[in-house]
Amino acid sequence: DIQMTQSPSSVSASVGDRVTITCRASQGISSWLAWYQQKPGKAPKLLIYAASSLQSGVPSRFSGSGSGTDFTLTISSLQPEDFATYYCQQANSFPRTFGQGTRLEIK
Amino acid sequence: QVQLQESGPGLVKPSQTLSLTCTVSGGSISSGGYYWSWIRQHPGKGLEWIGYIYYSGSTYYNPSLKSRVTISVDTSKNQFSLKLSSVTAADTAVYYCARDEPRSGQIDYWGQGTLVTVSS
Repeated sequence: DIQMTQSPSSVSASVGDRVTITCRASQGISSWLAWYQQKPGKAPKLLIYAASSLQSGVPSRFSGSGSGTDFTLTISSLQPEDFATYYCQQANSFPRTFGQGTRLEIK
Repeated sequence: QVQLQESGPGLVKPSQTLSLTCTVSGGSISSGGYYWSWIRQHPGKGLEWIGYIYYSGSTYYNPSLKSRVTISVDTSKNQFSLKLSSVTAADTAVYYCARDEPRSGQIDYWGQGTLVTVSS
């Protein structure tokens, strides 16, 4: 299985800040990576697919980059509704595997 | 707009079989083109992919659960189902059904999730 490692595990930030979350795959996955946002008691929501493609309806302040083994999710200017947990997921092979999550908290 | 809805018992006894069904609306499983998946999340933890089924009936299961998992599809009802046998407290989790888009591998639609507790 491909192991996905996110960093940091948690981050505190303020509204308006720029935040970057990193995801590393245990082997190369080309650009087959997705990012999700999950709020308490809700299902994950797809934000980014194919490493950098923005899912329809997702605000443009979210962006993704990377290829191979190293990827980033950037939120350019945090909004109150962005405080949540974020997961990366490799889409290169089965079984699908997820990072452990990054909890984004209000400072 | 595709919607998925899980249904099934919220409480299962140890050693029994957990059974859940996912009803899909707004799209037809038999149209093909997607993997219909089950994913779970232990309380306060991350996401664990369980497996998928294609409309033809072909499946792929997570090796960590393969010996206990069966996923089936009923295209006439536009439903797919999960069975997990010999459950223990470690199988207590929120179970999600979801649609996997195989061309780029993202999971683009999720059910709301259902909590299944394993307890006597």
